[in-house]
Amino acid sequence: QKEVEQNSGPLSVPEGAIASLNCTYSDRGSQSFFWYRQYSGKSPELIMFIYSNGDKEDGRFTAQLNKASQYVSLLIRDSQPSDSATYLCAPQGWSGAGSYQLTFGKGTKLSVIP
Amino acid sequence: EAQVTQNPRYLITVTGKKLTVTCSQNMNHEYMSWYRQDPGLGLRQIYYSMNVEVTDKGDVPEGYKVSRKEKRNFPLILESPSPNQTSLYFCASGITGQPQHFGDGTRLSIL
Repeated sequence: QKEVEQNSGPLSVPEGAIASLNCTYSDRGSQSFFWYRQYSGKSPELIMFIYSNGDKEDGRFTAQLNKASQYVSLLIRDSQPSDSATYLCAPQGWSGAGSYQLTFGKGTKLSVIP
Repeated sequence: EAQVTQNPRYLITVTGKKLTVTCSQNMNHEYMSWYRQDPGLGLRQIYYSMNVEVTDKGDVPEGYKVSRKEKRNFPLILESPSPNQTSLYFCASGITGQPQHFGDGTRLSIL
């Protein structure tokens, strides 16, 4: 059973601060890591992915990966109220059926306070 | 506009009455998948398809069927729905084995 652990939150940060969202995973064979954002009542949307150890930056978002520690994080700089959503971590590992598949964490709810 | 279209968006039905939720994408994606989302359980994969005529079970396939006869369509079939299949369902598509675009969701209530 592949486990993906995220703090459910809510994580509350003031507007303009850095929000740090963390995720640990059990499958050492995971190759790629995806972050999705889901607004309340809406479908998930892909916002970031990372394949290699280290940091990857995209605008206000930075994904950090440490495969040795089985840890991936998402930093949101200059947080805005519009960032308030649930963030889903999804490592991609071998399914055993001839393909790589994602396993989703249950998500961290972020609330950015104006 | 890139779209994944699910129908219906909402459905209330009764136990045992066969139903189909349709999913169509206009991006020529090879990969399509179905998920259900339940409070406290997160998103769980039901079935996925890597290409036409290729389908595989996800984590919770019991009680569901799928087919992939055309690249753009990936319907989810509940042959004999039961109340434990009451959930929010999402279809997704992508270029490779990860969902890049999700549909708006289908909320199913089975009484």
